[in-house]
Parts: sequence; C-alpha cells; structure tokens
Amino acid sequence: AQKVTQAQTEISVVEKEDVTLDCVYETRDTTYYLFWYKQPPSGELVFLIRRNSFDEQNEISGRYSWNFQKSTSSFNFTITASQVVDSAVYFCALSEAQGYSTLTFGKGTMLLVSP
Amino acid sequence: SQTIHQWPATLVQPVGSPLSLECTVEGTSNPNLYWYRQAAGRGLQLLFYSVGIGQISSEVPQNLSASRPQDRQFILSSKKLLLSDSGFYLCARQTTGNTEAFFGQGTRLTVV
Repeated sequence: AQKVTQAQTEISVVEKEDVTLDCVYETRDTTYYLFWYKQPPSGELVFLIRRNSFDEQNEISGRYSWNFQKSTSSFNFTITASQVVDSAVYFCALSEAQGYSTLTFGKGTMLLVSP
Repeated sequence: SQTIHQWPATLVQPVGSPLSLECTVEGTSNPNLYWYRQAAGRGLQLLFYSVGIGQISSEVPQNLSASRPQDRQFILSSKKLLLSDSGFYLCARQTTGNTEAFFGQGTRLTVV
C-alpha cells in the first residue's frame, strides 16, 4: 500500500524567509510518480510539479525547488524568499506506474506567510 | 485548453436529501476522471474513478455513488445525505495514467 506523510501540519514564516515543506512516501513499486499541489484559499488544487522515480535530479522553477532523494524516500519542496501569495495548503502526492494511477495524497501542510 | 467545470460551487442540503454534483471536462477525449473529497483536516480521499463511459471504480464504500453517462461527464450522487457527507468535493482528470491530475474548482457541501 502507498502512503504519503507530511509531518508538518502548519508552518508560519515571515515574508522573504526560505521555507522547506517535507514529504516522505512509502511504496512497493519500483516505478512511481511524485507530485506537489498548491491549494490556495479558493480551494482549487494547482499542479506544481511531477517527478518520476527514475529522475533524481533536483529541479528549480523560479523561487520553487524540489529535492528528490530516493534513498530516504523523500520529496521535499523549498520556497525561497517566501511571499504572502505563497500562503496556501501544499499537498504531496504519489501514484503508481501500474494500474489506473490514482493519487495518494498526504494530509497537507498549511503555509502562512506574514508580511 | 483543457478545462474542468464543476457545479454548484457551494451547496447546503438537509440530512436525508438527495445529491447530484456534476463535473464536465473540455478539450480532451477519453480522460480518466476522479472524484475526491476533502473533509476537515484537509486530507484528500479518493472516492471514485472512471476510465471510460459507464466504468466506475469505488475506492471507499459509503453513501455515495458515481456515474459517467458521457465521455466528458462525471456525476457524483447520493440518495440520502448524511451529516458526514459534508466536505469539499473535487473532480479531477488525467489525460492518461501517470500524468498530472488537473482539478476543478470544487463544490463545498454542507449537510445540515
């Protein structure tokens, strides 16, 4: 069975601080996909990134970066120089390569960025 | 562009009343479609998924059902709502397996 753990329930930072959101996953599959989604107060989930299990290169997109470490089953997300607009709930998710690839989500981390 | 329409955005229903939430998708054919529920505590729970017309798989046995009468239409229903059915319901689509899922704007259901 798959499992995604986001141990940080809520994080509060001041604007311009860097913040890292942790994600640890469990799966028996050798091939799988990892995702991060952002849920702003409006409620809609916004896709941020997808990473397959064979690609361990870190990725950077503007102020966002992702650190995938297969050895520790982690897929952490860092926001550099946080802004108030980054305030949201962030979800990490996992899907298998086989079958219908349904997403297993973590419980989310609420990030509050204060001015 | 590929768009997901969900309605209504907000719904307040009495216990025991029926429910019908509709999700339609534009810009893609034969998508995989999903219903998720987000209850208090923010976690998302997969309720149903469909890989084609008339094909529904249920992940969690409960008071709800789903149907896919058309390729781009996915409906979530209940004959009699319970208080525990309250939550935020999200429809999602994937073009194929393992691609990213895109979500609709959700329906916030309150059962009173």
